[in-house]
Amino acid sequence: RKEVEQDPGPFNVPEGATVAFNCTYSNSASQSFFWYRQDCRKEPKLLMSVYSSGNEDGRFTAQLNRASQYISLLIRDSKLSDSATYLCVVNGRDRDDKIIFGKGTRLHILP
Amino acid sequence: NAGVTQTPKFQVLKTGQSMTLQCAQDMNHEYMSWYRQDPGMGLRLIHYSVGAGITDQGEVPNGYNVSRSTTEDFPLRLLSAAPSQTSVYFCASSLTGQLYEQYFGPGTRLTVT
Repeated sequence: RKEVEQDPGPFNVPEGATVAFNCTYSNSASQSFFWYRQDCRKEPKLLMSVYSSGNEDGRFTAQLNRASQYISLLIRDSKLSDSATYLCVVNGRDRDDKIIFGKGTRLHILP
Repeated sequence: NAGVTQTPKFQVLKTGQSMTLQCAQDMNHEYMSWYRQDPGMGLRLIHYSVGAGITDQGEVPNGYNVSRSTTEDFPLRLLSAAPSQTSVYFCASSLTGQLYEQYFGPGTRLTVT
């Protein structure tokens, strides 16, 4: 099993719809989790951290399922500006552990 | 704060040439890293550093060297450029490696002919 896996997409979703995608990870000792957003030809930027209890930021909700070892991102009332690639990041337990990025899920919001 | 800066933004090299990609951050971050991003491959870690004087290899270190003599700077050296090193290179930093947000530089687009 790869360390971090994401469905590459693309997800083509009409504006206003709800879309969700998951990211699975293999290291059960992983301690911290993030979702990043990357626009075309730009650097990745943090979208949100993922907390054990789940967290919400406006139209975005992130969840962590430790038992099944995946994190999820839900986008409600999607906007054209949400079109981007979404990368999940899984960090290890130790200070010197590598930070692992998923390959990303491409999202296209259709007008 | 300028955040994470990278120079140059674009570079074209001939096979066999060497060069250094510069990365600097002004946030006093301990952790710095270099990634390359290729279509369909995602971000792949080249080298990383958990503090000044400490570096370690990532997933794809061959053909690259790094050093970390100061907290602020983390240059990436291409020893003898090859066409396979054509890519977009991102430098990133965070307060420490694991628990905190990573901040990325704007990237360097490198073409090796």
